[in-house]
Amino acid sequence: QKEVEQDPGPLSVPEGAIVSLNCTYSNSAFQYFMWYRQYSRKGPELLMYTYSSGNKEDGRFTAQVDKSSKYISLFIRDSQPSDSATYLCAIVNAGGTSYGKLTFGQGTILTVHP
Amino acid sequence: EAQVTQNPRYLITVTGKKLTVTCSQNMNHEYMSWYRQDPGLGLRQIYYSMNVEVTDKGDVPEGYKVSRKEKRNFPLILESPSPNQTSLYFCASSFRDHGEQFFGPGTRLTVL
Repeated sequence: QKEVEQDPGPLSVPEGAIVSLNCTYSNSAFQYFMWYRQYSRKGPELLMYTYSSGNKEDGRFTAQVDKSSKYISLFIRDSQPSDSATYLCAIVNAGGTSYGKLTFGQGTILTVHP
Repeated sequence: EAQVTQNPRYLITVTGKKLTVTCSQNMNHEYMSWYRQDPGLGLRQIYYSMNVEVTDKGDVPEGYKVSRKEKRNFPLILESPSPNQTSLYFCASSFRDHGEQFFGPGTRLTVL
């Protein structure tokens, strides 16, 4: 079983839809949670960063972490065609011999059509 | 301009011919790492370094070597490349071990 599982999609939604992207993880030492966006032929760029359970909002994006369920989500409101990209969750190990190790989910390909 | 640079951007080589992909950052970041990205597998960490002379294995270190002799540079070495190392490689750096990763533009490697 992979330490971080992410539904690879692909996901296709109409413009204006609410998008929900999810990851689950298995390691309790995972303490820092990030969402990256990657456009075609580019390196990933950070969208959201959080380290505690609960919600964090930034514009149209909301990151949600539930440490008790080992589940993280990214919500995109009023999705736009420019949101079409691959979205990757990433989690940092903050304990033991693997401190600092970063694990990514497989990535979800999102297409927002006009 | 703050950035992570990688060279070369594209490389086609043959099995067994040693190669080095360079990575350099100008942000004085302590943490640097290498990833490979393959379809359906996402980004997988190869090696990471939390400071000069400190390196640790990621999820897929077999067949790769790294060194961190200077803070700004973190080269990835393939001593004897094989076709299963054909992939898109990203270098990244961050101010601290759990901080935002800044990614380079990627190196597309093909091993024949």
